[in-house]
Amino acid sequence: GAGVSQSPRYKVAKRGQDVALRCDPISGHVSLFWYQQALGQGPEFLTYFQNEAQLDKSGLPSDRFFAERPEGSVSTLKIQRTQQEDSAVYLCASSLGQGNEKLFFGSGTQLSVL
Amino acid sequence: GESVGLHLPTLSVQEGDNSIINCAYSNSASDYFIWYKQESGKGPQFIIDIRSNMDKRQGQRVTVLLNKTVKHHSLQIAATQPGDSAVYFCAERGDTGRRALTFGSGTRLQVQP
Repeated sequence: GAGVSQSPRYKVAKRGQDVALRCDPISGHVSLFWYQQALGQGPEFLTYFQNEAQLDKSGLPSDRFFAERPEGSVSTLKIQRTQQEDSAVYLCASSLGQGNEKLFFGSGTQLSVL
Repeated sequence: GESVGLHLPTLSVQEGDNSIINCAYSNSASDYFIWYKQESGKGPQFIIDIRSNMDKRQGQRVTVLLNKTVKHHSLQIAATQPGDSAVYFCAERGDTGRRALTFGSGTRLQVQP
């Protein structure tokens, strides 16, 4: 594919509902990142994968947030028992890795929790 | 999609003028700096990057200047065009053991025709 693809583009969830957000990185990109972007703010780091290994999850705000990348390609960010403060745009980015830090971002999933 | 940066600092310039967007950083261990452009409803788009062993790097119509002494870098856009209107974010990598970029809060650039 030409770029990082995220789905769904928009997600509306009722408070307490579980959601799953998908990211298809650029083919061949080793590194994959999830960021959260609140309205009017810069992206905030959530978690980082190198291939299938989750090397850094220090940005995940609570144990309701879980991310996986089982085959080192597609990644899923899951949020359990969503709360209103989870409403944000969730951005996925990938990079070649191996010293190449330039991140390529997807368009994001806009999550609204009602 | 929702607008990005409703309450961000705003730089307003005339079409054709040069734009300068500044970024201060606090982590003296930061070794990599990068600029992104974000249009409403889209993800951040890479503009230019620079490593800490450089003072200046140029791209097409864009230049980044890095001053490690005062922990500051700036993005310069030459001959600003209406299509340059967007929110601009600076980001840095602060720890070589941590691959993630840390983003600033952003600046909205408005180009007046």
